[in-house]
Amino acid sequence: DQQVKQNSPSLSVQEGRISILNCDYTNSMFDYFLWYKKYPAEGPTFLISISSIKDKNEDGRFTVFLNKSAKHLSLHIVPSQPGDSAVYFCAATTWAGGTSYGKLTFGQGTILTVHP
Amino acid sequence: NAGVTQTPKFRILKIGQSMTLQCTQDMNHNYMYWYRQDPGMGLKLIYYSVGAGITDKGEVPNGYNVSRSTTEDFPLRLELAAPSQTSVYFCASRSSVETQYFGPGTRLLVL
Repeated sequence: DQQVKQNSPSLSVQEGRISILNCDYTNSMFDYFLWYKKYPAEGPTFLISISSIKDKNEDGRFTVFLNKSAKHLSLHIVPSQPGDSAVYFCAATTWAGGTSYGKLTFGQGTILTVHP
Repeated sequence: NAGVTQTPKFRILKIGQSMTLQCTQDMNHNYMYWYRQDPGMGLKLIYYSVGAGITDKGEVPNGYNVSRSTTEDFPLRLELAAPSQTSVYFCASRSSVETQYFGPGTRLLVL
């Protein structure tokens, strides 16, 4: 049972354009969502997060949007740069009540390629 | 600042062999995690620990064991290696939800 899904295995974008990565979830108990970025032969690194009490969070070129009714979130990268080429993972957790112990459920990842 | 370190980086095991994947963090984090990542898949939680002496199963614990005798170390033990355990293993630690720091990974091949 895949509770967090990233249905696009790959995305190719031109430098300077917008990259939009999508993520869907099924578990309504999830209330905190994160995006991680991973380069080859390295561990994932935290990029940006959003709580379910918000519908948008912005950090520089990166913005995450959350649509709770649709159980959908997206990561927008504007403008995209070649250095953004990596695998992007969406992750979710249940934060309320403090019983999740930070356990994350990950999507399958989307390979983003930004062409110069 | 080393962060989360993992050894070895790569290992080939024969079916039935055992090995321990080492994980150490120098950030004094209480929470530590072991994940595995199969090709084309996301990371799946194997075991986690909320502090020294306390461990619990994650989503895919079968075939693995862990211990947490110190805050810094969280080794993962494979007792009887199987081809299904061929994967990349990541250790992580955290202080808060968003700052979960991952190690560089251990690539394991079981033949």
